[in-house]
Amino acid sequence: EADIYQTPRYLVIGTGKKITLECSQTMGHDKMYWYQQDPGMELHLIHYSYGVNSTEKGDLSSESTVSRIRTEHFPLTLESARPSHTSQYLCASSVGIGAALVGGHYGYTFGSGTRLTVV
Amino acid sequence: AQTVTQSQPEMSVQEAETVTLSCTYDTSESNYYLFWYKQPPSRQMILVIRQEAYKQQNATENRFSVNFQKAAKSFSLKISDSQLGDTAMYFCASNPKRGSQGNLIFGKGTKLSVKP
Repeated sequence: EADIYQTPRYLVIGTGKKITLECSQTMGHDKMYWYQQDPGMELHLIHYSYGVNSTEKGDLSSESTVSRIRTEHFPLTLESARPSHTSQYLCASSVGIGAALVGGHYGYTFGSGTRLTVV
Repeated sequence: AQTVTQSQPEMSVQEAETVTLSCTYDTSESNYYLFWYKQPPSRQMILVIRQEAYKQQNATENRFSVNFQKAAKSFSLKISDSQLGDTAMYFCASNPKRGSQGNLIFGKGTKLSVKP
């Protein structure tokens, strides 16, 4: 049973629409991440968060934005979708750096992903 | 920049045989963590195996084991008795730097096909 949930699973939307991809986790993890991944290809980190009210941009420039108002929720928003945004978006979470230094790093838990198609 | 390199973009293996996926990494830390993740087609990414760098003993999880060579910065994954369900993308990852706040660095992945 998944402890991190992404909705919707699939989304087809027209160019110019505003969309929000939802990600929620029930593990109390401090850190959360968004990755962009074309099918069968490498992962690109686009956003991450260390905790509430903390957000950072990742390695890949993205026109999306994120927010972290609650520990368990890390939504990603595209203000104006374009065909170049067509991709899979993966959300992940992990314990914070303090917990990792004490208990070790146990990696990320990933959601099932949202497959976005912009037409 | 810290890197993780998977030199085999694609591999195939016959069912019931053994296959080894390669991974090398770069770090200046003395202690760190290494991971292998599995991403089946259209399914969730899951953790396969984890290795703590200060532990010399290679990690093992059922049919999955690693060959961890710290001096060579090599972390290969061996899959024994391959099954059709092992068909997936496999990503190697490291937590290479204490100051990175725990962000993992992922390799580009190896696509493994298990053939009947």
